[in-house]
Amino acid sequence: AQSVTQLDSHVSVSEGTPVLLRCNYSSSYSPSLFWYVQHPNKGLQLLLKYTSAATLVKGINGFEAEFKKSETSFHLTKPSAHMSDAAEYFCVVSDQNTGFQKLVFGTGTRLLVSP
Amino acid sequence: GAVVSQHPSRVICKSGTSVKIECRSLDFQATTMFWYRQFPKQSLMLMATSNEGSKATYEQGVEKDKFLINHASLTLSTLTVTSAHPEDSSFYICSAKIGRGIGADEQYFGPGTRLTVT
Repeated sequence: AQSVTQLDSHVSVSEGTPVLLRCNYSSSYSPSLFWYVQHPNKGLQLLLKYTSAATLVKGINGFEAEFKKSETSFHLTKPSAHMSDAAEYFCVVSDQNTGFQKLVFGTGTRLLVSP
Repeated sequence: GAVVSQHPSRVICKSGTSVKIECRSLDFQATTMFWYRQFPKQSLMLMATSNEGSKATYEQGVEKDKFLINHASLTLSTLTVTSAHPEDSSFYICSAKIGRGIGADEQYFGPGTRLTVT
């Protein structure tokens, strides 16, 4: 079965500094990987997705992630944090065993942004 | 586009009663919808996959007789928690997928429903 591990439950940054949210995946095949963001009382929003095209994926709101097969990683980065980036972030892999129907979520990383 | 709504956003019910949660795709037709459960400060766990016009497929450990799922139309799926107990209190989230078939099609998520059973 495929899985993802988010290495940090909380990440704290100051506004204007870089953001790094770490994610490692486990997969027997070439996975499809996603990052979703969850703001309080709002639905999950897709930030970006990797589906075996370019390894560097650019998403919304200035976020990007790089797929590194040799490291089995898909870390999420942003050059400069904004207060509005404070939220819960989920790294997600699609389960190839189910024809990519199902999403398997990581445990989440809460990003805290201080002024 | 691709908006998914859930109703109600919050519900409080007494132990032993049943609660129905609706998930609607507002501007697209969703052949497949998914129901997730999220405990406080935890990740989302898939409960079941629902295809329009057919029976839902439940994940291991999810009681299908307790969590009744109906996907009667291409824009509506409902989750009914029957004979609810306090341990069923949780955040329930639905998602909808456009189209069928193999492929990493994006899922669009609803805002969730907070269920509290007293």
